Amino acid sequence: QKEVEQNSGPLSVPEGAIASLNCTYSDRGSQSFFWYRQYSGKSPELIMSIYSNGDKEDGRFTAQLNKASQYVSLLIRDSQPSDSATYLCAVDYGNKLVFGAGTILRVKS
Amino acid sequence: DVKVTQSSRYLVKRTGEKVFLECVQDMDHENMFWYRQDPGLGLRLIYFSYDVKMKEKGDIPEGYSVSREKKERFSLILESASTNQTSMYLCASSFPPLGLTDTQYFGPGTRLTVL
Repeated sequence: QKEVEQNSGPLSVPEGAIASLNCTYSDRGSQSFFWYRQYSGKSPELIMSIYSNGDKEDGRFTAQLNKASQYVSLLIRDSQPSDSATYLCAVDYGNKLVFGAGTILRVKS
Repeated sequence: DVKVTQSSRYLVKRTGEKVFLECVQDMDHENMFWYRQDPGLGLRLIYFSYDVKMKEKGDIPEGYSVSREKKERFSLILESASTNQTSMYLCASSFPPLGLTDTQYFGPGTRLTVL
């Protein structure tokens, strides 16, 4: 069974804080990892993709990948109320993505 | 920008009806996907297609079929709708040929209710 696990949350953080979202996966052969953001009633939109071990930064977002531990995370710095959404981790298994169930993030002003 | 469109945002059907959900992408993508999304279960892959007239079963194909007659269009068919198929249906597309994985771009979704 190819699995992607996320804590469902909700994760509540105050405005301006760092939000840390985590994801583990079961297949050591996976090469591509994605974070999607989904607002309520909307479709997922890509935030970050990461393919190599280490950190990848894009504005307030940092994706971290550790293939040995089968772990990928997303850090959101200076969290804003507009960041409140469900964050989906997706992992490639060959020619398709497997999505986690998502973590609900709530940023309180 | 990639644009993926779906034929309906909301749809209400009766049990036993045949239901067609249409998806069109305008970026000449090779791959197209149909997912359903239910609370607590995330996105689950129903079917995908990597070329015209080609299709592959995903994780939950039972009760569904698909059609891809043209590269830009991928249809999901519920042969005889049942109440347990009430869900949000999301279509997605991506570029790379089979064997590679890259960003998937999603349509707005169709919320289907089967009564």
